[in-house]
Amino acid sequence: QVQLVESGGGVLQPGRSLRLSCAASGFIFSTYGMHWVRQAPGKGLEWVALISYDGRTEYYADSVKGRFTISRDNSESTLYLQMNSLGVEDTAVYYCAKDQWSRAVTPSYYLDYWGQGTLVTVSS
Amino acid sequence: SSELTQDPAVSVALGQTVRITCQGDSLRGYYASWYQHRPGQAPVLVIYGTNKRPSGIPDRFSGSTSGNTASLTITGAQAEDEGDYYCNSRDDTSNHLVVFGGGTKLTVL
Repeated sequence: QVQLVESGGGVLQPGRSLRLSCAASGFIFSTYGMHWVRQAPGKGLEWVALISYDGRTEYYADSVKGRFTISRDNSESTLYLQMNSLGVEDTAVYYCAKDQWSRAVTPSYYLDYWGQGTLVTVSS
Repeated sequence: SSELTQDPAVSVALGQTVRITCQGDSLRGYYASWYQHRPGQAPVLVIYGTNKRPSGIPDRFSGSTSGNTASLTITGAQAEDEGDYYCNSRDDTSNHLVVFGGGTKLTVL
């Protein structure tokens, strides 16, 4: 069965950096686009970034563009989110999610499997 | 970026029918997909495309679209359907980006 397990969350001060990981299993990771989605405390879901199956295309929400970088290692079936210049507004549970479409140059917005999330808290 | 608007909260009596709506300009060009999110759990895709259900999703969940409004209908709501529901679609200002609605909290009475 499809499993997505996020890790790397924690508590850190504003301005610092953090890298999240998402270990995937149960499907052919290298053929599906992947997304990061976050949920701030008491708020709704916010899409953060996506990466194509081959890693050649990446897209970001305006709120994180220039600070966050999504990447993947298909040999390790792992998705990453490098987060720099973190601010208190980045405090959230971060979910990785699998795109439904296989081998799509531009992934869809149908996120058919999600991980349990990892909490990132940015506080002084 | 475009926006998707949802009512913050909706309630339904057990066994009755409820409709959750999602409004936005992007829905004139893209279908909405819908997610159920229970506290402490991973979100679950319940509807995508025209009106498709992933395997394992009960057939009491259905979706529809009219103009700029997408709807998720639960026919015969069950206690386990309580939770937050989110719509999403492409951002119509850039067809590579994704946008979520603000979410609707469903209470089953």
